[in-house]
Amino acid sequence: GDSVTQMEGPVTLSEEAFLTINCTYTATGYPSLFWYVQYPGEGLQLLLKATKADDKGSNKGFEATYRKETTSFHLEKGSVQVSDSAVYFCALSASTGGGNKLTFGTGTQLKVEL
Amino acid sequence: DTAVSQTPKYLVTQMGNDKSIKCEQNLGHDTMYWYKQDSKKFLKIMFSYNNKELIINETVPNRFSPKSPDKAHLNLHINSLELGDSAVYFCASSQGNRDTYEQYFGPGTRLTVT
Repeated sequence: GDSVTQMEGPVTLSEEAFLTINCTYTATGYPSLFWYVQYPGEGLQLLLKATKADDKGSNKGFEATYRKETTSFHLEKGSVQVSDSAVYFCALSASTGGGNKLTFGTGTQLKVEL
Repeated sequence: DTAVSQTPKYLVTQMGNDKSIKCEQNLGHDTMYWYKQDSKKFLKIMFSYNNKELIINETVPNRFSPKSPDKAHLNLHINSLELGDSAVYFCASSQGNRDTYEQYFGPGTRLTVT
């Protein structure tokens, strides 16, 4: 079945540091890929998405490129801020017999310190 | 305006009780979902409805019964609650059920069974 593997957290960075959160996936067919962010006590918010190979999703300084050859969708940001502290989830979406579901990775907690 | 709302936000109840969680979306979407997030923050889909029709049912105990009275609402009723049902339950919606469509999440309902 479909699966998503994310790097283990927590990740602690200093403000303005470079961020990479690795994400790889296993899927039949050609899924769409997403990054969601969950701030403490809140629901999930879509951060960015890519729906086909070589697409780059970007939002709020975050980027991720859909790499079919390495089945990866790593999240990057050049300079993190304290306000980026949250849990980040990589997910894939695949239509299954008329339905569509998100399969999530385990989440990576990011803590950014001054 | 809240796009996807859930009530209640917190629910504390005893084992054996029956409880319901309500979800409403004002985005005009035709597909809605229930996800469960466990204590380790792992997210897994439970159900999906498209135009009030159940299209995904992911090996969830039949104590859980979703109901969709119309496209804007998806409720979750749980019978005979067990300790293992303690989790955060998220409702989500999307426009259509293709994998390219992002899902919008509600704030979650934290269920604690004692």
